[in-house]
Amino acid sequence: KQEVTQIPAALSVPEGENLVLNCSFTDSAIYNLQWFRQDPGKGLTSLLLIQSSQREQTSGRLNASLDKSSGRSTLYIAASQPGDSATYLCALTYSGAGSYQLTFGKGTKLSVIP
Amino acid sequence: DGGITQSPKYLFRKEGQNVTLSCEQNLNHDAMYWYRQDPGQGLRLIYYSQIVNDFQKGDIAEGYSVSREKKESFPLTVTSAQKNPTAFYLCASSIYGTYNEQFFGPGTRLTVL
Repeated sequence: KQEVTQIPAALSVPEGENLVLNCSFTDSAIYNLQWFRQDPGKGLTSLLLIQSSQREQTSGRLNASLDKSSGRSTLYIAASQPGDSATYLCALTYSGAGSYQLTFGKGTKLSVIP
Repeated sequence: DGGITQSPKYLFRKEGQNVTLSCEQNLNHDAMYWYRQDPGQGLRLIYYSQIVNDFQKGDIAEGYSVSREKKESFPLTVTSAQKNPTAFYLCASSIYGTYNEQFFGPGTRLTVL
């Protein structure tokens, strides 16, 4: 069974710092991996989607990488801002489950201190 | 504006009641999903539907039911058989196919009184 782990569970950084959020998974037979942002009491906002054949995706200050062989994805946030404070979730689809089923990590709660 | 709407935002249920959560999308997506989110746990899939009049159980379907009579709508009923229904419920949709991005609605918070 696929296990998706996000460490640390919480992270606090000063404004302006570059930071990396980690996501690891146990089964490398993935179809794609998605990074989401969730604000308290709200739904999920899709940030980036990486297909299994890709190594990275970029959107603005965000860059997500994927290394299937090591079972890792990272989300890099450049020049962090207080508005980046939220919980970041990674989720993936893989061949061992229904191909539409996202398997989620528990998230990293990010606080950016002004 | 294209998007996914869920209603109500907050819902309170008494013991023994069935309640229905609404999910509507105007993105012309074929596939729709229901997830449950509990504190300290990752989101878990309840049901999903790839096309109208067809749906499949996810990991935690017991105590829930769905219908898919229209492409735009995928309502979820939480029945009295669901023993611990208090949670945050999220609906999502995507284009048909394995490699496509899922988009989420704003969620419904269900509380059992």
